[in-house]
Amino acid sequence: GAGVSQSPSNKVTEKGKDVELRCDPISGHTALYWYRQRLGQGLEFLIYFQGNSAPDKSGLPSDRFSAERTGESVSTLTIQRTQQEDSAVYLCASSSPRGAQRTGELFFGEGSRLTVL
Amino acid sequence: AQSVSQHNHHVILSEAASLELGCNYSYGGTVNLFWYVQYPGQHLQLLLKYFSGDPLVKGIKGFEAEFIKSKFSFNLRKPSVQWSDTAEYFCAVTTYGNNRLAFGKGNQVVVIP
Repeated sequence: GAGVSQSPSNKVTEKGKDVELRCDPISGHTALYWYRQRLGQGLEFLIYFQGNSAPDKSGLPSDRFSAERTGESVSTLTIQRTQQEDSAVYLCASSSPRGAQRTGELFFGEGSRLTVL
Repeated sequence: AQSVSQHNHHVILSEAASLELGCNYSYGGTVNLFWYVQYPGQHLQLLLKYFSGDPLVKGIKGFEAEFIKSKFSFNLRKPSVQWSDTAEYFCAVTTYGNNRLAFGKGNQVVVIP
């Protein structure tokens, strides 16, 4: 597609339920990132995928959070047993094979706004 | 891990006023520095970046930023803002060998016509 696509754009769920958020990166972009933005906070790094390398999961806040990526395409972020503090906008971004370090340009989706009641 | 500080989270100013947003980072090694902007209802997009060379970087829409290594700073400036500059601005940094962008908390800028 022309840009990074995320779904759903809005998700309201009850505490304790599992949610899945999807990201479809720009075609050809081997790097994919998930960030979280809570109200009044900056972007918090969650996880980074680069090609077939092992993902950098160091930003995942707890074992309730996991993410997968199918090859160099779609990624799914899963939050199990959601808590109210998980409420945030979850942003996905992709970048070219040269990566953020080389080009600095991450292309962001519009985010998935998660509200946990 | 590197961290990024942005001050004055909310900035309100009139059209034609000058804008300066501060950004400081904590990392002593080689860094790459960025400003991203998010206009209302739109996704984050790159405004400008610094990798090496001239520490004064020009970006889109008349924005510029200056890298001052001794101050660990990368402040964003625009001499005369317009109503369309109303947006949230984020400073970000990567360090050598690291593809992860660390972001600051952002500056919400409102320009009054």
